[in-house]
Amino acid sequence: QVQLQESGPGLVKPSETLSLTCSVSGGSLSGYYWSWIRQLPGKGLEWIGYIYYSGDTNYNPSLLSRVSISVDTSENHISLKLTSVTAADTAVYYCARVKEYTTTFDFWGQGTLVTVSS
Amino acid sequence: DIVMTQSPDSLAVSLGERATVNCKSSQSVLYSSNNKNYLAWYQQKPGQPPKLLIYWASTRESGVPDRFSGSGSGTDFTLTISSLQAEDVAIYYCQQYFTTSYNFGQGTKLEIK
Repeated sequence: QVQLQESGPGLVKPSETLSLTCSVSGGSLSGYYWSWIRQLPGKGLEWIGYIYYSGDTNYNPSLLSRVSISVDTSENHISLKLTSVTAADTAVYYCARVKEYTTTFDFWGQGTLVTVSS
Repeated sequence: DIVMTQSPDSLAVSLGERATVNCKSSQSVLYSSNNKNYLAWYQQKPGQPPKLLIYWASTRESGVPDRFSGSGSGTDFTLTISSLQAEDVAIYYCQQYFTTSYNFGQGTKLEIK
């Protein structure tokens, strides 16, 4: 069974870059799209973007100017960078696998809380 | 952007009774070329990530109990739990995957009456 685990700093200063890694175990990145999704405090879910194992990406237009997702198939992980963060970027960040032939999310990490504060 | 609006925001149902959650999209998520509705439902329990329950509006994900069912087409969709169990207490989200942004609804909190 595929397992995903997010890691990275839990605290980021305003205007700096948020960087997270999602390690995938129990399966290969190959053949799938992998996504980042965030959950703002007390609010709903927001899709950030996804990446194919080959490197093709697609991002939420609302975050397009600040977001970058990369893949490392040798290390079996994907990464997220979000630049120029503000308090509004404080959220639980999840990585998830995109279910084949859909853009739904069938396997999720447990999530990691990132707080933006000085 | 397609806006997803769920109703009600919260719901209390007795054990063994039927629970119904509604989801409305601001534009149709039915793709005419394959007659599929690009709509999914998730369940999120406290401290856990969301769990995919249903996709294509009515197809249950593997392992999901058959008391969960999805229906609807176009812009109006429903998640039904036929006989509420204690473990079904959660927040339920709909999600469209018809267009990029792949927006989620705001969630419906389901509790036991």
